[in-house]
Amino acid sequence: SQTIHQWPATLVQPVGSPLSLECTVEGTSNPNLYWYRQAAGRGLQLLFYSVGIGQISSEVPQNLSASRPQDRQFILSSKKLLLSDSGFYLCAWSALDNSPLHFGNGTRLTVT
Amino acid sequence: QKEVEQDPGPLSVPEGAIVSLNCTYSNSAFQYFMWYRQYSRKGPELLMYTYSSGNKEDGRFTAQVDKSSKYISLFIRDSQPSDSATYLCAMSDDNDMRFGAGTRLTVKP
Repeated sequence: SQTIHQWPATLVQPVGSPLSLECTVEGTSNPNLYWYRQAAGRGLQLLFYSVGIGQISSEVPQNLSASRPQDRQFILSSKKLLLSDSGFYLCAWSALDNSPLHFGNGTRLTVT
Repeated sequence: QKEVEQDPGPLSVPEGAIVSLNCTYSNSAFQYFMWYRQYSRKGPELLMYTYSSGNKEDGRFTAQVDKSSKYISLFIRDSQPSDSATYLCAMSDDNDMRFGAGTRLTVKP
């Protein structure tokens, strides 16, 4: 069966520090991969998605970037965090376009 | 108007009650409809996945889609305290997936 791992679960970082959140998927090949941010009462905001290695689409211009160095690895990064980057970040995968998404357990990021 | 509207609640019911959760949407191109359950500090977990209009049942859960009214529902029968969570609707067409903001449900013993 497929599993998705996301870490760390919680992170507290100072303003201006770098960020690296990692997500890996097991049990499937060539998944579509996604990074979402969830704000309380505002639903899920798609940040990045990838249909293959090195292929990244950005949905929202911002202080973040994403990379996919391997087929089942997706990384969310920032060079300098802002206070507004605080939030709950979710990684997800899907088998095909229009297939349902399967989420990791998220990272709670607090920028201080 | 938001593309997907979902009443945020909170909704509180006694154990054993039938729960009805709903979403409305504006994009008639949506064809795939999902319900997710999200426990506190966890990621959303897929509960139901349906295509086009109609009903789908899985245990105590029933999903209904009415494309003519642009309205979807999730019914939970014999609700349990373990059903206490936030429920998110989601829908997609060939290009796009959109989520509701979630309804927070509490089932009291």
